[in-house]
Amino acid sequence: NAGVTQTPKFQVLKTGQSMTLQCAQDMNHNSMYWYRQDPGMGLRLIYYSASEGTTDKGEVPNGYNVSRLNKREFSLRLESAAPSQTSVYFCASSGRYSPHEQYFGPGTRLTVT
Amino acid sequence: AQSVSQHNHHVILSEAASLELGCNYSYGGTVNLFWYVQYPGQHLQLLLKYFSGDPLVKGIKGFEAEFIKSKFSFNLRKPSVQWSDTAEYFCAVSSYNQGGKLIFGQGTELSVKP
Repeated sequence: NAGVTQTPKFQVLKTGQSMTLQCAQDMNHNSMYWYRQDPGMGLRLIYYSASEGTTDKGEVPNGYNVSRLNKREFSLRLESAAPSQTSVYFCASSGRYSPHEQYFGPGTRLTVT
Repeated sequence: AQSVSQHNHHVILSEAASLELGCNYSYGGTVNLFWYVQYPGQHLQLLLKYFSGDPLVKGIKGFEAEFIKSKFSFNLRKPSVQWSDTAEYFCAVSSYNQGGKLIFGQGTELSVKP
């Protein structure tokens, strides 16, 4: 039981490049989330998916897109990376009966130069 | 809009000292409250949570938090810290009518000197 897994762990991009961050959970959770963590700002919600087939914007969605591929997987795409997107990205999931209790992945550290 | 404020950005304590980290939130309705911890190099883990009932909640590793509704606060406490408590601590709030979305505070970095 791996919980929430994320790939890659580290990534360096040049401005304008694109990439997709992958997230998968094996806890049969309905809801999945993408956050970014920046120093002094805590975690901010980028997008979330309350259930398979649905996605909604969070606090800071600009510059990102998401896909809920199936119940297990929720990917985050940067179409044209910018230095302001340098951050640590965390994926999380929560179950149907305890939606407020989230389980986090190990994070992806992204640097955009 | 909901917001969460953590008063201290960086706290430095010696082992065996007592700890209290402040957390205030702004939201008028029913909320759920959480403290998460992030040890160096690790991902966030749930430390404790408050949904309803006894406003004094106990979590893992000897931590506890008290919900004071009149003050919109949910402060984290530990009577005697250890070096292994060195980590970053995040307070978070969610409301019943917003599904599982969490709003996080800025985080407090705790450094415990041996």
